Amino acid sequence: EVQLLESGGGLVQPGGSLRLSCVASGFTFNNYAMTWVRQTPGKGLEWVSSISGSGGSTYYADSVKGRFTISRDNSQNTVYLQLNSLRAEDTTIYYCAKERRATGIDYWGQGTLVTVSS
Amino acid sequence: DIQMTQSPSSLSASVGDRVTITCRASQDISNYLAWFQQRPGKAPKTLIYAASTLQNGAPSRFSGSGSGTDFTLTISSLEAEDFAIYFCQQYKSYPITFGQGTRLEIK
Repeated sequence: EVQLLESGGGLVQPGGSLRLSCVASGFTFNNYAMTWVRQTPGKGLEWVSSISGSGGSTYYADSVKGRFTISRDNSQNTVYLQLNSLRAEDTTIYYCAKERRATGIDYWGQGTLVTVSS
Repeated sequence: DIQMTQSPSSLSASVGDRVTITCRASQDISNYLAWFQQRPGKAPKTLIYAASTLQNGAPSRFSGSGSGTDFTLTISSLEAEDFAIYFCQQYKSYPITFGQGTRLEIK
């Protein structure tokens, strides 16, 4: 059974940093790209970042480029999202997701809440 | 960026109804189209990928069709648990983009 378990969310001041983690199980981790998606304030979904199975390719939404960094540790079956220079508008739930080129996102984590406030 | 437009934005229907939601891409995305369901307070769940392939575990009353720029999600006979928000998503190219969502409510 595929499981994705996020952690690391919390309350942080504007300009601060957080590191989100997502521990995966139930599949061969290094065979799959991983993605972070967040819920928009209007309750839609916004793609944030993706990383290839090897970690050699990374992709970012313009809204987070230069502030967020995605990485993975295939020995620990974990993908990370480093959030720097946080803004109030980054406040929302962040979901980790497993991705394949042919299928897109097939499994989602339960989400972790990030709150940016003074 | 590829824009994804869903319609309608909201929809009222009754248990047992057949419902169709549409999604249009601003350019050709072949069949790189997925549909997700999100119930209140829950994470999204994948229903359909590659425009028409049912995700493992998704009920067979859900089906998807389309290719290129125009896609549909159909629920053949609504059940109470289907009242939720539905999103389409293109994964043809980065940035990955989502439709704005369709809220399916009980009539």
